[in-house]
Amino acid sequence: DAGITQSPRHKVTETGTPVTLRCHQTENHRYMYWYRQDPGHGLRLIHYSYGVKDTDKGEVSDGYSVSRSKTEDFLLTLESATSSQTSVYFCAISDRGRSEKLFFGSGTQLSVL
Amino acid sequence: AQSVAQPEDQVNVAEGNPLTVKCTYSVSGNPYLFWYVQYPNRGLQFLLKYITGDNLVKGSYGFEAEFNKSQTSFHLKKPSALVSDSALYFCAVRDAYTDKLIFGTGTRLQVFP
Repeated sequence: DAGITQSPRHKVTETGTPVTLRCHQTENHRYMYWYRQDPGHGLRLIHYSYGVKDTDKGEVSDGYSVSRSKTEDFLLTLESATSSQTSVYFCAISDRGRSEKLFFGSGTQLSVL
Repeated sequence: AQSVAQPEDQVNVAEGNPLTVKCTYSVSGNPYLFWYVQYPNRGLQFLLKYITGDNLVKGSYGFEAEFNKSQTSFHLKKPSALVSDSALYFCAVRDAYTDKLIFGTGTRLQVFP
């Protein structure tokens, strides 16, 4: 999957606990994205980054924060996980801001009980 | 607002038959349209895109898509389906204001032997 590693691949956690998902890339792409995938909704953008320490919100950012201290790493944090955040989370990267072509990681299956 | 619609949750086709996966779009200005495919337990993979030019766009794995401006459609097609084409297919449009990709809800293609 184009030099993108997501960790963990699976996680089960309890409501109210903090959770951090990691996306690591070896492509040196400038742009990185976090999406969530839910049945009936397709993929929805949570947050994205257009450079180190440069991030912005997507359409479903409430309850999530991100950080990018290095080009290769983009972290997604659920400050206090809720059951509605049970989902499959995908990281994607792009070498152009017009996001004409995204490369996706293999996803993280998160279950919040 | 920019959007795409995939009217079929699932499409079933026999191996060797032609297949069509439908997508309609709503955008202001010129549309930038994409198709992605997702195989089980994998991230999305880019198939093809329409930016400008010929209405018939050729992509990976023998797929093509036809852009129809009057019908605001961008249907994915393949002349002869393979069992290995069975996957989840997503249409997407680039939002002219945010520059981000907006995905449809996905269509599951099932090709039967």
